[in-house]
Amino acid sequence: DQQVKQNSPSLSVQEGRISILNCDYTNSMFDYFLWYKKYPAEGPTFLISISSIKDKNEDGRFTVFLNKSAKHLSLHIVPSQPGDSAVYFCAASAMYSGGGADGLTFGKGTHLIIQP
Amino acid sequence: GAVVSQHPSRVICKSGTSVKIECRSLDFQATTMFWYRQFPKQSLMLMATSNEGSKATYEQGVEKDKFLINHASLTLSTLTVTSAHPEDSSFYICSARERQGNYGYTFGSGTRLTVV
Repeated sequence: DQQVKQNSPSLSVQEGRISILNCDYTNSMFDYFLWYKKYPAEGPTFLISISSIKDKNEDGRFTVFLNKSAKHLSLHIVPSQPGDSAVYFCAASAMYSGGGADGLTFGKGTHLIIQP
Repeated sequence: GAVVSQHPSRVICKSGTSVKIECRSLDFQATTMFWYRQFPKQSLMLMATSNEGSKATYEQGVEKDKFLINHASLTLSTLTVTSAHPEDSSFYICSARERQGNYGYTFGSGTRLTVV
């Protein structure tokens, strides 16, 4: 059973527009969420995170929104740039509530393609 | 920022042999290290969590006798794939966290293992 779901395998967005990547989770113990960007044959690069006490976190062009009641989070990238083309992974952890079991659970990723 | 070095980046080995993958935190002390495995077009799956000086905690379904993890120092963790089989071919990635309460997970660049 997949606890973190990214239902869109790919997303194509025009340069300059907003990219919205979605992520749903099922485990109510998750209280810390992260977004990573990944290129082929490389490790993930951290983008932005949010803890469950917040509903929004912003860092430059990246904003993450968390809707705990819906168990849904999204990553907004605005404006989208060609260098943003990559696979984006949503990850979750039971940082506070997991009793130390705080390895990350990843979604399957969304391949974002920014078109010029 | 925090850097994690993973070595080797690629390795090809024969069936039945063992392969060791190293993960080093270069500029911080990693009290906790995580090992992930990624299958093609799949998400990263947590294999095990290791804390310095103690035995690793393995996720369900991961054979601890096959995937030996050693976290002997605060800057080095190793994953040894013993008696490798072709189905062990995968992309292995380590992640390190500086200390409890530090929310940053820094990833290595990954190791592509091919067992022939």
